[in-house]
Amino acid sequence: DQQVKQNSPSLSVQEGRISILNCDYTNSMFDYFLWYKKYPAEGPTFLISISSIKDKNEDGRFTVFLNKSAKHLSLHIVPSQPGDSAVYFCAASEGYSGGGADGLTFGKGTHLIIQP
Amino acid sequence: GAVVSQHPSRVICKSGTSVKIECRSLDFQATTMFWYRQFPKKSLMLMATSNEGSKATYEQGVEKDKFLINHASLTLSTLTVTSAHPEDSSFYICSARIWLAQTQYFGPGTRLLVL
Repeated sequence: DQQVKQNSPSLSVQEGRISILNCDYTNSMFDYFLWYKKYPAEGPTFLISISSIKDKNEDGRFTVFLNKSAKHLSLHIVPSQPGDSAVYFCAASEGYSGGGADGLTFGKGTHLIIQP
Repeated sequence: GAVVSQHPSRVICKSGTSVKIECRSLDFQATTMFWYRQFPKKSLMLMATSNEGSKATYEQGVEKDKFLINHASLTLSTLTVTSAHPEDSSFYICSARIWLAQTQYFGPGTRLLVL
């Protein structure tokens, strides 16, 4: 039973436009969420995170929105750039105690393709 | 499908002892497994890439004599932290990849605390 779901295996977006990657979760105990970006043959790179006490976190071109009632979060990338093409993983954890993520549950990832 | 398990999920050990962490692909054969380490509020850091039947490839700055990796079968990779010290306390996570596939399937991670 997947507790973190990224239902779009791939997403194609034109350069300069907004990319929106979605993630749903089922475990109401999750209280810390992260997005990772990953290139082939490389480890995932941390992008941005959000705790359950917030509904939005922004870092440069990346913004994560959290809707706790819907158990849904999304990653917005504006504007999209060719270098953004990669696989994006959503991850979640329980018991965030201020020290960071613990026992991460990842989604299966969304392959974002930025077209020129 | 594509389930990766790690054992143990948490371990506490004394300084100077060795700890072995297992990573298993439960329903697929993984020719390549990856080991990551994560510090609080930091990204996962790739430690090494493990290919079945061959020596692991370690990332720069990772001591191969300190972190022994064995990938003896297509479903099992182990990471042994030798002579553990408090600074080795961290969250270790593995992932596994099907041959020629892009997606890595991550294990749930192992929290190591060295006293």
